[in-house]
Amino acid sequence: EAGVAQSPRYKIIEKRQSVAFWCNPISGHATLYWYQQILGQGPKLLIQFQNNGVVDDSQLPKDRFSAERLKGVDSTLKIQPAKLEDSAVYLCASSSSTSAYNEQFFGPGTRLTVL
Amino acid sequence: AQSVTQLDSQVPVFEEAPVELRCNYSSSVSVYLFWYVQYPNQGLQLLLKYLSGSTLVKSINGFEAEFNKSQTSFHLRKPSVHISDTAEYFCAVRSPGANNLFFGTGTRLTVIP
Repeated sequence: EAGVAQSPRYKIIEKRQSVAFWCNPISGHATLYWYQQILGQGPKLLIQFQNNGVVDDSQLPKDRFSAERLKGVDSTLKIQPAKLEDSAVYLCASSSSTSAYNEQFFGPGTRLTVL
Repeated sequence: AQSVTQLDSQVPVFEEAPVELRCNYSSSVSVYLFWYVQYPNQGLQLLLKYLSGSTLVKSINGFEAEFNKSQTSFHLRKPSVHISDTAEYFCAVRSPGANNLFFGTGTRLTVIP
């Protein structure tokens, strides 16, 4: 079974530029999560989708961050414009449902450096 | 509000020695508890979890953790570590019915030959 795919693996941009990350979850997984992991901290949930609908985006900085999962499969997370404090690893995860009994499977992450 | 505390940011240990990685949580409601492992250049992987039932849970590679409600702890232990256990370990908590996993800051385990 293929895992969660993310691209790119690394991205370096200057502040005020825009950037987009892509995630393809495990086939058949209805729930998709985006996490932000700042160096020295644990992952923090940014947004959660159930199929193509948003379940929780309470921690997403909506003035600069946006995410979509239009067809309920793959997803894109965008930052526009980026700030220095957005430097982090962005993790995508998926699970078959929102239940805690269903494991969240994580992708390898995208490491973003904002200069 | 929920939070997770992993007091040890780094734990060096010699090969074949025992190890304990500490995790304490704070929550006003019942919780589910998880340990994730992140090997270098890889994504997070679920190591073990406590949802209900026996308070002692075990992984397939020799780790175990015990849910202690009175001490609000979920410490991870292994009686004899291997070089391949070198990784970062994250404790996480989730409330039943909630969407969010709250992660600790992680503990970097380094096994010394």
